Amino acid sequence: NAGVTQTPKFQVLKTGQSMTLQCAQDMNHEYMSWYRQDPGMGLRLIHYSVGAGITDQGEVPNGYNVSRSTTEDFPLRLLSAAPSQTSVYFCASSFDRGNEQFFGPGTRLTVL
Amino acid sequence: GESVGLHLPTLSVQEGDNSIINCAYSNSASDYFIWYKQESGKGPQFIIDIRSNMDKRQGQRVTVLLNKTVKHLSLQIAATQPGDSAVYFCAENSDSWGKLQFGAGTQVVVTP
Repeated sequence: NAGVTQTPKFQVLKTGQSMTLQCAQDMNHEYMSWYRQDPGMGLRLIHYSVGAGITDQGEVPNGYNVSRSTTEDFPLRLLSAAPSQTSVYFCASSFDRGNEQFFGPGTRLTVL
Repeated sequence: GESVGLHLPTLSVQEGDNSIINCAYSNSASDYFIWYKQESGKGPQFIIDIRSNMDKRQGQRVTVLLNKTVKHLSLQIAATQPGDSAVYFCAENSDSWGKLQFGAGTQVVVTP
């Protein structure tokens, strides 16, 4: 199993540009989530999904959209990038709620 | 322990000694707790978890202790090795949807 994969590893955007961060898992996990990590801080939940077709907001959802059309994929869309969205983004998945979450390697995003 | 602001608390440990990392959690309704290790440039990696019906759980070289009375969680690492140098995060799940709330992390530095 590849586990949780994320692309790209690095990305630089200009303010106002849009882009999609990709996340995929091959473990048949129902639960997937997106976090952002800023320097010296823990991870903050952006959006999560408890199964295909079901998504909900986390702690910091503004400026981000998600969809879950398949069990495997959970893309995160930045609609109009802002410098405040400069961060490292992690995708995670787990078999079910209340279980260990497996994390991807992260995407480092810089918005100029 | 947990930090406020941009500077992570740092625990400096001599190689071979035992490490104790502390975490105060916020929600008395939390029923699941996890410790993650994050090395520089990588995603968080699961170390050990514990449910609220337990006080102690042991893994390979690691032990997690849970004190629900004072809402305190600790991670003990036996015979700390250079490869244990990383940031350690505790996370709690108090939500029926399985959302994890992360602490800010503790930087562990292992010195020879």
